[in-house]
Amino acid sequence: GENVEQHPSTLSVQEGDSAVIKCTYSDSASNYFPWYKQELGKGPQLIIDIRSNVGEKKDQRIAVTLNKTAKHFSLHITETQPEDSAVYFCAASAPGNQFYFGTGTSLTVIP
Amino acid sequence: GAVVSQHPSWVICKSGTSVKIECRSLDFQATTMFWYRQFPKQSLMLMATSNEGSKATYEQGVEKDKFLINHASLTLSTLTVTSAHPEDSSFYICSAPPDRERSPLHFGNGTRLTVT
Repeated sequence: GENVEQHPSTLSVQEGDSAVIKCTYSDSASNYFPWYKQELGKGPQLIIDIRSNVGEKKDQRIAVTLNKTAKHFSLHITETQPEDSAVYFCAASAPGNQFYFGTGTSLTVIP
Repeated sequence: GAVVSQHPSWVICKSGTSVKIECRSLDFQATTMFWYRQFPKQSLMLMATSNEGSKATYEQGVEKDKFLINHASLTLSTLTVTSAHPEDSSFYICSAPPDRERSPLHFGNGTRLTVT
């Protein structure tokens, strides 16, 4: 079955620095990769996504890159702010409108 | 965008009682809903898929009699944790499936269940 690995599990950065979270997937049929931000006690919120026909997508301070050949995709947050502190999950599309989720990265931005 | 409303956001109950969690699609109709369970500092674990007008589909290892799922209408799915025990304490999240190919899930805000 599909396996999505996510690294690192925890990440601390100084405010203003960049944060990078990486995921790998195993099913070559996956063609859609969303990233979610989950704050404590809340449900996951979509922050950015990328489709398999695109290599990179950017939305202000957030960008995602996809390497389909290597089955890697990454989240990049630049100029981090304390409010970026949260748990981030990557996901890869699966059959039946479902998704396989990464194990999460707890990001702490130190003021 | 699609909005999924989940209630309650938190609940505390005594062992042996049952708890119902509701998940509503506010501005769209959902023929299916996904129910997840999330342990602290862990990822989302799919428990079951509710289907409007038919039985839910449970993932392997999930007790059907403990986690009763009902999808009574195109806008409401419910999860009832029956005869709750402390080990059922967890964060439960519902989501509506993507409304088209290669689009995201729409999550509810989750329910923190604590069984004492």
